[in-house]
Amino acid sequence: DVKVTQSSRYLVKRTGEKVFLECVQDMDHENMFWYRQDPGLGLRLIYFSYDVKMKEKGDIPEGYSVSREKKERFSLILESASTNQTSMYLCASSPIRQGGLNEQFFGPGTRLTVL
Amino acid sequence: QQPVQSPQAVILREGEDAVINCSSSKALYSVHWYRQKHGEAPVFLMILLKGGEQKGHEKISASFNEKKQQSSLYLTASQLSYSGTYFCGTGGAGSSNDYKLSFGAGTTVTVRA
Repeated sequence: DVKVTQSSRYLVKRTGEKVFLECVQDMDHENMFWYRQDPGLGLRLIYFSYDVKMKEKGDIPEGYSVSREKKERFSLILESASTNQTSMYLCASSPIRQGGLNEQFFGPGTRLTVL
Repeated sequence: QQPVQSPQAVILREGEDAVINCSSSKALYSVHWYRQKHGEAPVFLMILLKGGEQKGHEKISASFNEKKQQSSLYLTASQLSYSGTYFCGTGGAGSSNDYKLSFGAGTTVTVRA
């Protein structure tokens, strides 16, 4: 079974702090994703990585950065946390397969509260 | 741009059927469907590809209308275990874009005994 793990289930930080969210997958997937999930808005893509050290901005990258130094690990960084970044953060990974059969496997999520 | 899902919520009794629609304003190459139970991660149900056939998962099936840029998810003879929020994720044609999805806001399904 594919396993995607995230470093924390719950996190409370103060405004202005630097926050690191870690995600690790164990199935050698090329693609990794960071989403935030807010009520009524569904899942919105923050950043996407298709290879080590490669990244692309998603729909809402402002205020976030990412790092992928190893294939299995994808980190989301909030350089200076703000209250509007309070949200559920979901990491996902997917393989690259011919024909687009590339389902995404999600981690359990990190609920971040910024005070 | 996010696809539009409808309805936002539906309440069913066990054994009833429901349809969830997912519409996009842009051409689609693929549509993914996921289900998320309360407090859990979204779980993959199925992918539909442009030019592909209708897919099924237990008594849940889906179709993909390329002309209308729309997919529909059919819950047949619903069971209590079908409760959750269903998300569609749409992907366009292209290289790296094949792997990025835009998700709808979700449809919350509640199945009651």
